[in-house]
Amino acid sequence: DIQMTQSPSSVSASVGDRVTITCRASQGISSRLAWYQQKPGKAPKLLIYAASSLQSGVPSRFSGSGSGTDFTLTISSLQPEDFASYFCQQANNFPWTFGQGTKVEIK
Amino acid sequence: EVQLVESGGALVQPGGSLRLSCAASGFTFSDYNMHWVRQAPGKGLEWVSYIDSRSRSTNYADSVKGRFTISRDNAKSSLYLQMNSLRVEDTAIYYCVKDFNWSLDHWGQGTLGTVSS
Repeated sequence: DIQMTQSPSSVSASVGDRVTITCRASQGISSRLAWYQQKPGKAPKLLIYAASSLQSGVPSRFSGSGSGTDFTLTISSLQPEDFASYFCQQANNFPWTFGQGTKVEIK
Repeated sequence: EVQLVESGGALVQPGGSLRLSCAASGFTFSDYNMHWVRQAPGKGLEWVSYIDSRSRSTNYADSVKGRFTISRDNAKSSLYLQMNSLRVEDTAIYYCVKDFNWSLDHWGQGTLGTVSS
């Protein structure tokens, strides 16, 4: 199985900060990587697919990059509604696997 | 508007069975592959199972292989997950999820399955 390692596991940041979350795959996954946001008590929401494509309706402050084994989710200017958990997920091979998550907290 | 509504979650004893259902609307269900993803209380996300649009191909996480069966009824726009030989560690919110470009673009609200004696 492909292991997805996210870092950091948590980050404290202020409104307006630039936040970067990384995800590393244990083997190459081309660009078959997605990013999700999850708020407490809610289902996850797709932010980025195919490593860098912004899902419809998602604010442009979210961006994704990378291919192969190393990927990044960037929030260019953190907004109050962005405090949540974020997960990466690979879809290159079954079983699809998720990173362990990154919690973005208020500093 | 895409809607996915799960049902069937319940409290069941170890070794028991549950059948989850997902009613889909707002899109042409028969055109899309579908998945189940679960989340144990306070934990991360775990992909569980996949079925292609015509039920020709399925896939399972190793943790559920041989115990869970995914199926669908395109005429009823419904997805199912039959869960047998349940274990305490299967306790989770189970999400029905639509496939899109090697990602999961629409999620249901989830249904809680609790395995406990």
